[in-house]
Amino acid sequence: QKEVEQNSGPLSVPEGAIASLNCTYSDRGSQSFFWYRQYSGKSPELIMSIYSNGDKEDGRFTAQLNKASQYVSLLIRDSQPSDSATYLCAVTLTGGGADGLTFGKGTHLIIQP
Amino acid sequence: NAGVTQTPKFQVLKTGQSMTLQCAQDMNHNSMYWYRQDPGMGLRLIYYSASEGTTDKGEVPNGYNVSRLNKREFSLRLESAAPSQTSVYFCASSEALYAASTTQYFGPGTRLLVL
Repeated sequence: QKEVEQNSGPLSVPEGAIASLNCTYSDRGSQSFFWYRQYSGKSPELIMSIYSNGDKEDGRFTAQLNKASQYVSLLIRDSQPSDSATYLCAVTLTGGGADGLTFGKGTHLIIQP
Repeated sequence: NAGVTQTPKFQVLKTGQSMTLQCAQDMNHNSMYWYRQDPGMGLRLIYYSASEGTTDKGEVPNGYNVSRLNKREFSLRLESAAPSQTSVYFCASSEALYAASTTQYFGPGTRLLVL
């Protein structure tokens, strides 16, 4: 049984601070890792993907992957009120195929102005 | 490019009624997926189609059938709707040729209420 665990929150962060979101996964065979953002009533939107150990930066977002410890994290620097949303961690086994994603239940992030 | 489109946006059904949710993508993606999202449960995979002509069960396939009509279209059918199928349904697609192309892109969702 593949499992992806996230703290459901809410996680409250002051505007301008760093928001840190964490995710652990159970299947050591997982190869692809994703962070999606979902606003209330909307569909998930890709924020970051990461495939190898280490950090990957894109603008204000940094994804971190540690396969030995089986965790993925997302850092949001200079948090803005528009970052308030639910953040979904997702993983897949595939190294090149088309398996579906296994999602965590999401972390509700609130950025306080 | 419209990306991934879904119809209808909203639907109310009575228990026992049937319906088909439609999904289409214009990104020439190989793989397509159906998920449901319930409060407190996250997104769960119902069925997927790795390529045209193939379909596979996901985590929660009971009560559903799918058809990959062509490369663009992937439909989800509820033969006899039950209140437990009240949910938001998302279709997604992915190029899925190699690891770096497994990103899935989601449609806007269909909100289904079964009375």
